[in-house]
Amino acid sequence: DAGITQSPRYKITETGRQVTLMCHQTWSHSYMFWYRQDLGHGLRLIYYSAAADITDKGEVPDGYVVSRSKTENFPLTLESATRSQTSVYFCACMSADTQYFGPGTRLTVL
Amino acid sequence: TQLLEQSPQFLSIQEGENLTVYCNSSSVFSSLQWYRQEPGEGPVLLVTVVTGGEVKKLKRLTFQFGDARKDSSLHITAAQPGDTGLYLCADDMRFGAGTRLTVKP
Repeated sequence: DAGITQSPRYKITETGRQVTLMCHQTWSHSYMFWYRQDLGHGLRLIYYSAAADITDKGEVPDGYVVSRSKTENFPLTLESATRSQTSVYFCACMSADTQYFGPGTRLTVL
Repeated sequence: TQLLEQSPQFLSIQEGENLTVYCNSSSVFSSLQWYRQEPGEGPVLLVTVVTGGEVKKLKRLTFQFGDARKDSSLHITAAQPGDTGLYLCADDMRFGAGTRLTVKP
């Protein structure tokens, strides 16, 4: 089915470990986004990408790294996970000013 | 930095009641999106408003955009349990914290 997928859906890791969250779209939309969602804060933009090999920081980029070697993939890496990065992470892509969100990854950092 | 404030934060009502939720910005919106998010899923776009004073209707949902493009409201008529969810407003990539609506049968 066409759409945007995220993996894993759930992840538990320990402080200091590296974690990569995957995002894949079956379309070829140029823009892709990573958000985190925490109670009381809504969705906050971590990084976004306007096209392959073009990425930009959002509101809360510290502690995260992204890459976009292919248009359809936009992985998010936590280089050394911290407890404050426990959250639900959403990937999105955009077409005609409409953002389409993936189902989210619930990450717990112990 | 633009701040998007949504109110109320929580709302619990009975089926059949009407309700209004609000979104206010500290600066002018370039455009405003309303999303609904159900538990365990990502947000889904309901509507985009662009012009000050604009009103859009989506079945029982009515969206208004303030004349000065700094505020918006979402009105639901005769709410149903299926309307339960988190309602988020957004300006491009900036989101409010949302209104969590529960409609009891």
